Amino acid sequence: GESVGLHLPTLSVQEGDNSIINCAYSNSASDYFIWYKQESGKGPQFIIDIRSNMDKRQGQRVTVLLNKTVKHLSLQIAATQPGDSAVYFCAENISGNQFYFGTGTSLTVIP
Amino acid sequence: NAGVMQNPRHLVRRRGQEARLRCSPMKGHSHVYWYRQLPEEGLKFMVYLQKENIIDESGMPKERFSAEFPKEGPSILRIQQVVRGDSAAYFCASSLSTRTNTDTQYFGPGTRLTVL
Repeated sequence: GESVGLHLPTLSVQEGDNSIINCAYSNSASDYFIWYKQESGKGPQFIIDIRSNMDKRQGQRVTVLLNKTVKHLSLQIAATQPGDSAVYFCAENISGNQFYFGTGTSLTVIP
Repeated sequence: NAGVMQNPRHLVRRRGQEARLRCSPMKGHSHVYWYRQLPEEGLKFMVYLQKENIIDESGMPKERFSAEFPKEGPSILRIQQVVRGDSAAYFCASSLSTRTNTDTQYFGPGTRLTVL
């Protein structure tokens, strides 16, 4: 089965609210993680990444948190906008260049 | 600065035909990856190639599927004798190097294969 999974398959938030998307991983040896955003009919788009020697990383309106103790990753989106509606995947890299992707969380922003 | 290019964007084949999917990596990138995505599912790794070499094909079916990344030209994912179960979106990604062993992969728009 998948080594990477998401707690919630769907998430609906009001425009302007903050969104939190969660991801659990099972391999403690994973040392690099990426969040991707995929809009309908398009390829995954890189959002933000984090290495295992960090527990937090911030980008523009997004923050990724890594809790290695419980093998949990989250993506926080501040002031969610309609354009944020998409499926969000976390990807886990164990070694080499192979990434394992979760099934994704569908985020819907309600205007 | 063009991103990863894939063509065709949509491909329709009848059972038993061959499908050829093309991927041109980002400029300067020499590492290419192919993934398959079924509706409402995540991306499944298929194969990782560098120029003229297959590095990891552990996710690719042993039969009917093959991939190449020649010295010149795009990477090709080839599916022979397609079956309905091959219908999916196929995404290509590229990365700059593996110096750090974990270089970010950038994805193309995908090819949506439909097998009738």
